[in-house]
Amino acid sequence: DAKTTQPTSMDCAEGRAANLPCNHSTISGNEYVYWYRQIHSQGPQYIIHGLKNNETNEMASLIITEDRKSSTLILPHATLRDTAVYYCIVRVYGSSNTGKLIFGQGTTLQVKP
Amino acid sequence: ETGVTQTPRHLVMGMTNKKSLKCEQHLGHNAMYWYKQSAKKPLELMFVYNFKEQTENNSVPSRFSPECPNSSHLFLHLHTLQPEDSALYLCASSQGASGSGETQYFGPGTRLLVL
Repeated sequence: DAKTTQPTSMDCAEGRAANLPCNHSTISGNEYVYWYRQIHSQGPQYIIHGLKNNETNEMASLIITEDRKSSTLILPHATLRDTAVYYCIVRVYGSSNTGKLIFGQGTTLQVKP
Repeated sequence: ETGVTQTPRHLVMGMTNKKSLKCEQHLGHNAMYWYKQSAKKPLELMFVYNFKEQTENNSVPSRFSPECPNSSHLFLHLHTLQPEDSALYLCASSQGASGSGETQYFGPGTRLLVL
């Protein structure tokens, strides 16, 4: 089962910041938060990940609350090409300590002109 | 382009056919994964290989048979599939180490239709 909770869908105006929330209240101390997105019928694309500090890269920023029970992915200037399903995932360790990503339903972000 | 390629991109097969999906990664990673994504459903992890050894089998039916001859290649052999097996099959790879090495990079997927 997924360990995260996300809104089913969100809209965002083109050029505005898109803020996608995620709750992960049962996260363990050594589990990372990952964000992926999937544009229709393509493979998921890695966006960003973090443990407890805020992170930023060329695609997005990740804000993690101090208690680590929730996070927000920020796309600073959304474009129409950012329309996709966004997955917030907490990595779960598998039997060999190889991380497993358990995908939930994600948030469908619709960027509108 | 993520460095993970999959062939074929589309496949139509009958229930009595045998076919194979191929995945290749050019990232020097040690772990590879197969996922299944049925229509309107989340991605489901099927198999995990780490250093060519299978480490996870997520209760996948035996009509799906994975093979990992080396760390760069992963196959999914298909035989006597059912129409409900129609889905997008995704391959991914990661460094395989702990921490940030777990970032998985996905291929474009194979769209499979079973008639």
